[in-house]
Amino acid sequence: DAKTTQPNSMESNEEEPVHLPCNHSTISGTDYIHWYRQLPSQGPEYVIHGLTSNVNNRMASLAIAEDRKSSTLILHRATLRDAAVYYCILRDVAEYGNKLVFGAGTILRVKS
Amino acid sequence: EAQVTQNPRYLITVTGKKLTVTCSQNMNHEYMSWYRQDPGLGLRQIYYSMNVEVTDKGDVPEGYKVSRKEKRNFPLILESPSPNQTSLYFCASSLLQSGGNTGELFFGEGSRLTVL
Repeated sequence: DAKTTQPNSMESNEEEPVHLPCNHSTISGTDYIHWYRQLPSQGPEYVIHGLTSNVNNRMASLAIAEDRKSSTLILHRATLRDAAVYYCILRDVAEYGNKLVFGAGTILRVKS
Repeated sequence: EAQVTQNPRYLITVTGKKLTVTCSQNMNHEYMSWYRQDPGLGLRQIYYSMNVEVTDKGDVPEGYKVSRKEKRNFPLILESPSPNQTSLYFCASSLLQSGGNTGELFFGEGSRLTVL
């Protein structure tokens, strides 16, 4: 399984944008980049995913480097409710029954 | 409301006493999976199921069994629990897209199990 590397923790001020980086230098052509987050005392929840082009949804934006070896999850205006562990995961479309391999993730702290 | 429901949410048991953690989803998802989460080790997959009567091992299947007799249910069975199975367990489900790729995973709220 291709691996991802994320910073252990990041801190942001409320109402400011947050850029969460993820490195995946061994990504294959069929790997999708997925982001999940886990709020305290809850199960992980889906945030966004993409393959090559940048993606936007109501929760966040995903910026994917041209060589696909890195990506950035962007929270446009962080709120206290965004404090969570954010996981960057690669999903291989070609792998039947593919499993999600969660790394340690990035702990995001949001200050008021 | 679309949801994945796990029971029990909390359980303290003793070594060797068989237990079952139930998981049910109401979204007609083909794919279901069990994870355990331990400090410093993150989320690790135990078993998954691509559809009824189709199950397969994840990364840490030892000591666990599963069954998928109905599409909506995917129970996790610990035949003889041991203290090293003390953990936080999550069930998840998703639609199965073309090529065997799973879509967005929906997780339950977790079941905290303590084995004494």
